[in-house]
Amino acid sequence: AQTVTQSQPEMSVQEAETVTLSCTYDTSESDYYLFWYKQPPSRQMILVIRQEAYKQQNATENRFSVNFQKAAKSFSLKISDSQLGDAAMYFCAYRGNYGGATNKLIFGTGTLLAVQP
Amino acid sequence: NAGVMQNPRHLVRRRGQEARLRCSPMKGHSHVYWYRQLPEEGLKFMVYLQKENIIDESGMPKERFSAEFPKEGPSILRIQQVVRGDSAAYFCASSIGIGINDEQYFGPGTRLTVT
Repeated sequence: AQTVTQSQPEMSVQEAETVTLSCTYDTSESDYYLFWYKQPPSRQMILVIRQEAYKQQNATENRFSVNFQKAAKSFSLKISDSQLGDAAMYFCAYRGNYGGATNKLIFGTGTLLAVQP
Repeated sequence: NAGVMQNPRHLVRRRGQEARLRCSPMKGHSHVYWYRQLPEEGLKFMVYLQKENIIDESGMPKERFSAEFPKEGPSILRIQQVVRGDSAAYFCASSIGIGINDEQYFGPGTRLTVT
């Protein structure tokens, strides 16, 4: 079974600084997808960034980028120029290529990011 | 285009009562997913449905929980004879398909409190 591990329950960053959130996963599949979701205090789940495993190039969305290391099964999220609005719980998620049998996301336990002014 | 709608946002039930959670997917979306978030934990997959069909219920507890997505109307997650351990936030998501670019859009969640 696939698992997703986030080993940092809490992180803190100064405004305008850069922070990296860690995520590792375990799978025997070669084709899969990885995601980072943000959950602010409103509890609404917001997709931040996604990565296809077959793509070697790391995904980037404005101030958010990932470091995808397929052999190490690592998928970290880097937030540059941190802003107060980035404060939230961040979840790493995995989705296998299930061939239509399902489409479920497997989530890690989350990292609570605080942004200090 | 309205997002995924869930109601109620907050639901309080006494032990032994039934809880019915509703989810209206985004327009044009025929795939619905339910996830549960226990306090201080990540989201856990419960069930994946397409119109009138349960595709994957591998995350559903074997007893007291059921889900449906009828041809007309919202998807319903039903919890019978609720217990304190059912207290959680229940999230619904929908997608237009199951391709990589078919993002799962999440609703705001229903927070169930069992007293």
